[in-house]
Amino acid sequence: QSVLTQPPSVSGAPGQRVTISCTGSSSNFGANYDVHWYQQLPGTAPKLLIFDNNIRPSGVPDRFSGSKSGTSASLAITGLQAEDEADYYCQSYDNSLSGVVFGGGTKLTVL
Amino acid sequence: QVQLQESGPGLVKPSQTLSLTCIVSGGSIRSGSYFWHWIRQHPGKGLEWIGNIYYSGSTYYNPSLKSRVTISVDTSKNQFSLKLRSVTAADTAVYYCARATGAASLDDWGQGTLVTVSS
Repeated sequence: QSVLTQPPSVSGAPGQRVTISCTGSSSNFGANYDVHWYQQLPGTAPKLLIFDNNIRPSGVPDRFSGSKSGTSASLAITGLQAEDEADYYCQSYDNSLSGVVFGGGTKLTVL
Repeated sequence: QVQLQESGPGLVKPSQTLSLTCIVSGGSIRSGSYFWHWIRQHPGKGLEWIGNIYYSGSTYYNPSLKSRVTISVDTSKNQFSLKLRSVTAADTAVYYCARATGAASLDDWGQGTLVTVSS
């Protein structure tokens, strides 16, 4: 059972917009810790996609955006492309566990 | 551009100690700006944080693994290490090392190394 809750899967057709939710609690998002998002392509290491709730590292397309409000966060992907098919993870810090916590991951399928 | 590379045995026997090293290149592990992490991923599953270390040696561990884990740093070799004691088949996973700024995002990752626990 992950500390942060994500849907196991989402899907969308090319060109569409999808969102992936990440639900936390008062000891992580509610305690004002930021959310970060990672993309993991098959057989590769996770790659930082969004940090500090809504900031894209250099090289990440602006089709990817993030937001956080209260104890929830979300990742939005617009103009869906076949290459976006991957697993996506949210991550934060939890002060009751005094450590890094991840969501269980969401598998994005591009139809 | 910092690079991280995990190294260590790919096969460990049950009840033994899993030992991995993360070699850091392109940046100094002594930089006070970063924490150095270990994360694992069981086959077909999600990411699990194991713990982290600061260059000074301060460590933080996942409570669920704390009794079996030791993370150490060797600043002279620019590397940090993971030891996981009394392993079982449930410790079979891909182990990643990563770099983060404080309690923030994991900016850089190693490629990961699969460790199988089996007799």
